[in-house]
Amino acid sequence: SQQGEEDPQALSIQEGENATMNCSYKTSINNLQWYRQNSGRGLVHLILIRSNEREKHSGRLRVTLDTSKKSSSLLITASRAADTASYFCATDNAGTALIFGKGTTLSVSS
Amino acid sequence: DTAVSQTPKYLVTQMGNDKSIKCEQNLGHDTMYWYKQDSKKFLKIMFSYNNKELIINETVPNRFSPKSPDKAHLNLHINSLELGDSAVYFCASSHIPSGGASEQYFGPGTRLTVT
Repeated sequence: SQQGEEDPQALSIQEGENATMNCSYKTSINNLQWYRQNSGRGLVHLILIRSNEREKHSGRLRVTLDTSKKSSSLLITASRAADTASYFCATDNAGTALIFGKGTTLSVSS
Repeated sequence: DTAVSQTPKYLVTQMGNDKSIKCEQNLGHDTMYWYKQDSKKFLKIMFSYNNKELIINETVPNRFSPKSPDKAHLNLHINSLELGDSAVYFCASSHIPSGGASEQYFGPGTRLTVT
């Protein structure tokens, strides 16, 4: 069953702007992860945030987690054309397998 | 060195045929997975193996049979292929620490087209 729902489904911005994607999920989790998928490629892990964490940074990425609202957001600052990709949140549903959302397609134009 | 590799990258075949997709990881991980991504990019877990033992088997037709000859390999065999099997299949691997799922490393995918 699907766990995460990303919002928006698609996002178009200019280089240098910030991009924010949201993810909502339904059940208890141990952690939430974000992945990037470039067109025609496999998924690449970006960041993992545990259920007892509220915010995490990695380079230009900032992830927040609100377990009371069962939601997370991914912020990409100062976006670049190379950030163009689909972004997926994934939760572990208190197990070991990941359950992915439908993804947000980000287009960054120069 | 490729961490998770899959072969073939593209697979075009006719309905009713049997085909296999191979996956190998050189990361020393103890758990491997198969995912199916449909045309709308929805990614769904199919199987998970830990130390060569099946630990997750989602609702997948029994025409799909995973085989793990060793910890580094997880192959997917599909019998009697149907049009609806057309998708991109991803292999992934990870460690299983305590406290939930860890980050997974994905292969490049195998695009299966059934005609």
